Amino acid sequence: DGGITQSPKYLFRKEGQNVTLSCEQNLNHDAMYWYRQDPGQGLRLIYYSQIVNDFQKGDIAEGYSVSREKKESFPLTVTSAQKNPTAFYLCASSIDGQRWSSNQPQHFGDGTRLSIL
Amino acid sequence: GDSVTQMEGPVTLSEEAFLTINCTYTATGYPSLFWYVQYPGEGLQLLLKATKADDKGSNKGFEATYRKETTSFHLEKGSVQVSDSAVYFCALSGAGAGGTSYGKLTFGQGTILTVHP
Repeated sequence: DGGITQSPKYLFRKEGQNVTLSCEQNLNHDAMYWYRQDPGQGLRLIYYSQIVNDFQKGDIAEGYSVSREKKESFPLTVTSAQKNPTAFYLCASSIDGQRWSSNQPQHFGDGTRLSIL
Repeated sequence: GDSVTQMEGPVTLSEEAFLTINCTYTATGYPSLFWYVQYPGEGLQLLLKATKADDKGSNKGFEATYRKETTSFHLEKGSVQVSDSAVYFCALSGAGAGGTSYGKLTFGQGTILTVHP
């Protein structure tokens, strides 16, 4: 079955440590996204990528970094510069290619919950 | 910029009650509108969508109509079940004027629905 796989499901970070969250999709989608979800709030966009080797900052990119070396993979690194990293992180993809299509839905993974030790 | 406002929750209903979750939006151009559902510990799933004014999206007994005149996309269900207990998110995907579109989703803060037997 096609879908989006996020790993690990739970992750713990020590102070001053960088951690990387994995996101893999086998839907052959061009566009991928990372969101952060905090209790009582909607999802906020961290980074997005329309195509391989290209990505753009979202609304809350500070303290995060990404890469898009392969179409199916879009890992997110939470750096030590992110002072409040405890949250639920969701990865998504959509079929959009170089030309965005606003009516295409996004497909989500099951998320990674990051906590601070 | 684009924004989505949902009615505040949590919403608690008895089984077979009628459900309405209000959603209003602010956007330039001609956005597409979505409702997503999130079950505990999981990612988001697309529930329904509408891509132009007066379109009605429907799925699993849920319905929402794209009302451009009132900038609204309220979610309704005639008879809720315990299994409908989840968090519901309204979202829009911006579309600029002149035929360009962007695909980025802007989410409301989510509404928690609890249905009791």
